[in-house]
Amino acid sequence: NIVLTQSPATLSVTPGESVSLSCRASQSISTSIHWYQQKSNESPRLLIKYASQSISGIPSRFSGSGSGTDFTLSINRVESEDFSIYYCQQSYSSRTFGGGTKLELK
Amino acid sequence: EVQLVESGGGLVQPGRSMKLSCAASGFTFSNYGMAWVRQAPTKGLEWVATISYDGSSTYYRDSVKGRFTISRDNAKSTLYLQMNSLRSEDTATYYCTRDILWVFDYWGQGVMVTVSS
Repeated sequence: NIVLTQSPATLSVTPGESVSLSCRASQSISTSIHWYQQKSNESPRLLIKYASQSISGIPSRFSGSGSGTDFTLSINRVESEDFSIYYCQQSYSSRTFGGGTKLELK
Repeated sequence: EVQLVESGGGLVQPGRSMKLSCAASGFTFSNYGMAWVRQAPTKGLEWVATISYDGSSTYYRDSVKGRFTISRDNAKSTLYLQMNSLRSEDTATYYCTRDILWVFDYWGQGVMVTVSS
């Protein structure tokens, strides 16, 4: 089974900062990684698919990169509505999620 | 607008059964794979099961194989999850999702299932 490790577990930032969230796979998964945002008491929302492909309706400040085992979700100039938990998910072999990174207000 | 509305959750005793439903609208249901993803209280996301667009193929995580059955009725645009022999570790919010080549692009609001005596 492919294990996804997200880091850091919690990231404290102030609005306007730019941040990078990491997701590392236990084996190479090409670009079969997808990113989701889950706000408090809401359902998850797809942000990025296949490492870097944008999703309609998602703000352009969200971007993704990486291939192989190391992946990054970047948020350019964090806004207040971005404070959430972010999950990565792989689709290379079955489907597994990372443990999540909580983006919180400093 | 894509909408996925789950129903059928609640409190159930260990070892008993429960069936979840998900009513889909806003897209051609019969053209898409569908899945269930769950989230235990204060925990992360966990894929449970997927069914192909026509119901001919199903996939399950190991911990639910033989206990859960995913199915669909394309005429009714409805997805189901039959859960048997429920355990305390199945307690979670269950989300209905559209599954496009193993990417979950739309999610329902979720339905809570509590397994407890």
